[in-house]
Amino acid sequence: AQKVTQAQTEISVVEKEDVTLDCVYETRDTTYYLFWYKQPPSGELVFLIRRNSFDEQNEISGRYSWNFQKSTSSFNFTITASQVVDSAVYFCALSEAYSGGGADGLTFGKGTHLIIQP
Amino acid sequence: DAGVTQSPTHLIKTRGQQVTLRCSPKSGHDTVSWYQQALGQGPQFIFQYYEEEERQRGNFPDRFSGHQFPNYSSELNVNALLLGDSALYLCASSFPPPTGRRYGYTFGSGTRLTVV
Repeated sequence: AQKVTQAQTEISVVEKEDVTLDCVYETRDTTYYLFWYKQPPSGELVFLIRRNSFDEQNEISGRYSWNFQKSTSSFNFTITASQVVDSAVYFCALSEAYSGGGADGLTFGKGTHLIIQP
Repeated sequence: DAGVTQSPTHLIKTRGQQVTLRCSPKSGHDTVSWYQQALGQGPQFIFQYYEEEERQRGNFPDRFSGHQFPNYSSELNVNALLLGDSALYLCASSFPPPTGRRYGYTFGSGTRLTVV
């Protein structure tokens, strides 16, 4: 069975600090996709990034970067020079490969509540 | 370009009642998934619909049922409501599997259900 663990329940940092959110996953599939979503107080899940299991290249998008390491089954998310607007709950999620008649529901971690203090 | 639309935004029901939640997918998407998010938890997959059929179900009892209409919109029905059904119910739309996971899922803002 697939599982996503976000061990950090809450992180609080001062604005402009760098912060890393950890994500560890478990899956028996060799083909799978990993996602990060941001959930502001409004409730909507905002898509940040998707990674497939064959692409271990790290990715940078502005102040955001992601480190995917299959050897440790981790997909960590770093925010550089954090801002108050980054405050939200962040979720890591996993989707295993489609096979046979299966569908592709996401398995989410419990989320990390990130608080950026001014 | 409208995203995913869910209605109502908030709902209060009494234990034992039945509730129907609605979702309109993003334009161009034909697959709808439903998730339950309890307070302080991550979303949990309920089921996914495409081609008007339930394609996959998570670990939820039969009290949870759904429907997808020819215009790809969807309903989530919950019967015999329990206090533990209080949660944020999120709808996500996408392309059908396996394309969906390659292009991602678009979520709505959810329906906040409170059972009293």
